[in-house]
Amino acid sequence: SQKIEQNSEALNIQEGKTATLTCNYTNYSPAYLQWYRQDPGRGPVFLLLIRENEKEKRKERLKVTFDTTLKQSLFHITASQPADSATYLCALGGNSGYALNFGKGTSLLVTP
Amino acid sequence: DAGITQSPRHKVTETGTPVTLRCHQTENHRYMYWYRQDPGHGLRLIHYSYGVKDTDKGEVSDGYSVSRSKTEDFLLTLESATSSQTSVYFCAISGSSGRGAGTDTQYFGPGTRLTVL
Repeated sequence: SQKIEQNSEALNIQEGKTATLTCNYTNYSPAYLQWYRQDPGRGPVFLLLIRENEKEKRKERLKVTFDTTLKQSLFHITASQPADSATYLCALGGNSGYALNFGKGTSLLVTP
Repeated sequence: DAGITQSPRHKVTETGTPVTLRCHQTENHRYMYWYRQDPGHGLRLIHYSYGVKDTDKGEVSDGYSVSRSKTEDFLLTLESATSSQTSVYFCAISGSSGRGAGTDTQYFGPGTRLTVL
C-alpha cells in the first residue's frame, strides 16, 4: 500500500541552526511533491512545490530536495527562527488525478 | 486564507443527526476538496470536485456525501453523524480558472471543528 512517512517525533533545534525534515514514501510514483506549514488551529499553508524532474528548489531560507531513486524529499530551513516553529507536512501528487496525499507531519520547535 | 471561508467554524451535534458543512470561495478556482484531520492520521481526503456537479471520492468517503451546484460552494454532508466523524474538517481549493489539472498549490480554509456526541 502507499505510504508517506515523516518523522513522528518533534524536532527541537536552536535558533540560527539549520532544520532538516524528511519525507519518505513507498509504492508511489509522484509527479510532484509539496511542502506545507501548519500552525495550531489553522489550515496548512503552501511553501514549496518540486516536480519529479527537479532535484532541488529554493525559496528564501527554504530548500527542498527530491530524490525519486531514494523516494525521499528533504526540507531544510536555514538560519532558523522561533517563528519557524510549526508542523510541516509533505504532500505527494500526480498519482490519482488532482488530489494530494499528505504525510502526518513533523513538529518543529525552534528555541532562542 | 486565499478567499476561502468555512461554516460553521465549530459544531457540536449528536449521533444520528444530519450535518452539513459549507465551503465558500471567492477565487473562482476550479478544484475543491474536503479533508479531515485527526491525530495520528494526518490529513485525509474525503471527496473532491473538479467542476460544478463533478465530484469524486477520496480515501475516506464512507458516511459522507458532497454537492457542488456553484463554482464557489462545496458542501459536505454527514447524513447520520457518528462519533468516529468527530474531527477537524478542512476545505481546500486549487487550479485558477481556465487552468488544467490541479497540480498546483492547494489553499486551505480555516477549518471546522466538529464534535459528535
